[in-house]
Amino acid sequence: EVHLVESGGTLVQPGGSLRLSCATSGFSFTSYSMSWVRQAPGKGLEWVAYIKQDGSEKYYVDSVKGRFTISRDNAEHSLFLQMNNLRAEDTAVYYCARTNTGGDLRLFDYWGQGTLVTVSS
Amino acid sequence: EIVMTQSPATLSVSPGERATLSCRASQSVRSNLAWYQHKFGQAPRLLIYGASTRATDIAGRFSGSGSGTEFTLTINSLQSEDSALYYCQQYNNWPPLTFGGGTKVEIK
Repeated sequence: EVHLVESGGTLVQPGGSLRLSCATSGFSFTSYSMSWVRQAPGKGLEWVAYIKQDGSEKYYVDSVKGRFTISRDNAEHSLFLQMNNLRAEDTAVYYCARTNTGGDLRLFDYWGQGTLVTVSS
Repeated sequence: EIVMTQSPATLSVSPGERATLSCRASQSVRSNLAWYQHKFGQAPRLLIYGASTRATDIAGRFSGSGSGTEFTLTINSLQSEDSALYYCQQYNNWPPLTFGGGTKVEIK
């Protein structure tokens, strides 16, 4: 059974940094791209970042470019999101999502339960 | 960036009836569209991909249709457990991968 478990969310001051982690199990981690998707309070889902299976390609939503870095450790079956220079608008539940990239697909077929990041002074 | 617009924002339906949710893309996404169900406090769940293909273990009462810029998610014989937020997502032109704003389905 596929499991994705996020951790690292907490209260942080504006301008601060945070590193989110996602521990995975139940599937061949090295065979899948991965993404982070967030949901701000009262808002819809927003894709944040993507990383290819081998880490050779990374993409970000414009609002986090230059501040967030997605990475992965294939030996540990883990995904990470380093978030720097955090802003109030980054406040959200952050989900780790397995990204199916077979053929034309670029969709999220398994998700974690999410971890809450609150940016506030 | 492709903008996805969902309507209505909220849909109130009686048990056993049909719910029809709409999703519109700002430009053609061909059939590269997915639907997700998101219940409060739970992980989102993939329902439909390729506009009309049900994901693994998704009940037959969920169906998707459309192509280009207009898409529909239909939930037949609505059950209480179907109360949730539903999102469409395009994956034809990316980055970015973009979601609609969501439709909240309430059970009367």
